[in-house]
Amino acid sequence: GAGVSQTPSNKVTEKGKYVELRCDPISGHTALYWYRQSLGQGPEFLIYFQGTGAADDSGLPNDRFFAVRPEGSVSTLKIQRTERGDSAVYLCASSFTGGVTEAFFGQGTRLTVV
Amino acid sequence: AQKVTQAQTEISVVEKEDVTLDCVYETRDTTYYLFWYKQPPSGELVFLIRRNSFDEQNEISGRYSWNFQKSTSSFNFTITASQVVDSAVYFCALSEAETNAGKSTFGDGTTLTVKP
Repeated sequence: GAGVSQTPSNKVTEKGKYVELRCDPISGHTALYWYRQSLGQGPEFLIYFQGTGAADDSGLPNDRFFAVRPEGSVSTLKIQRTERGDSAVYLCASSFTGGVTEAFFGQGTRLTVV
Repeated sequence: AQKVTQAQTEISVVEKEDVTLDCVYETRDTTYYLFWYKQPPSGELVFLIRRNSFDEQNEISGRYSWNFQKSTSSFNFTITASQVVDSAVYFCALSEAETNAGKSTFGDGTTLTVKP
């Protein structure tokens, strides 16, 4: 596609449920990043993929969060046993390589846990 | 640990005024990269500029200009003759590793409102 696509754009879930957020990066981009943005704050790094592997997952807040990128393209961020504190906008970005290149961001998925 | 501080939470100007958004950073690395992004109401972060730590030349792109001063660890952004379409949240960000530049530390943003 022309840009980074994230689905769904909005997701409302009940506390304790499991959710999956999808990111479709720009074709040919090997690097993919997930960020979380809470209201009034800047994006916070979660995880970085280079190809299929997670090169850096140091930003994942706890073991309820997990992300995969099995074929080196689409990535899914998975959150188990959601909590109200997980409510935020989840942003995905991709770049051509993992080096100092411009990262392109999607419009995000707004997750609300009620 | 790296940190980015954008002390101005909100700025409001009238169209055609010049406005400067401040950014101060902290890092122990000698090689690092600084970025500015614009986030319009649609939510998508739009890349504006990248600057590496070895290049202190100021840059101008149309109505936008950036002032990088290593001595004060600042990377300020000026919009000249502001327009209503400039209204957005602006983020300054810092990356320390050449091979992982997408892993950035962001400031909390400055909300710019340009009134007609």
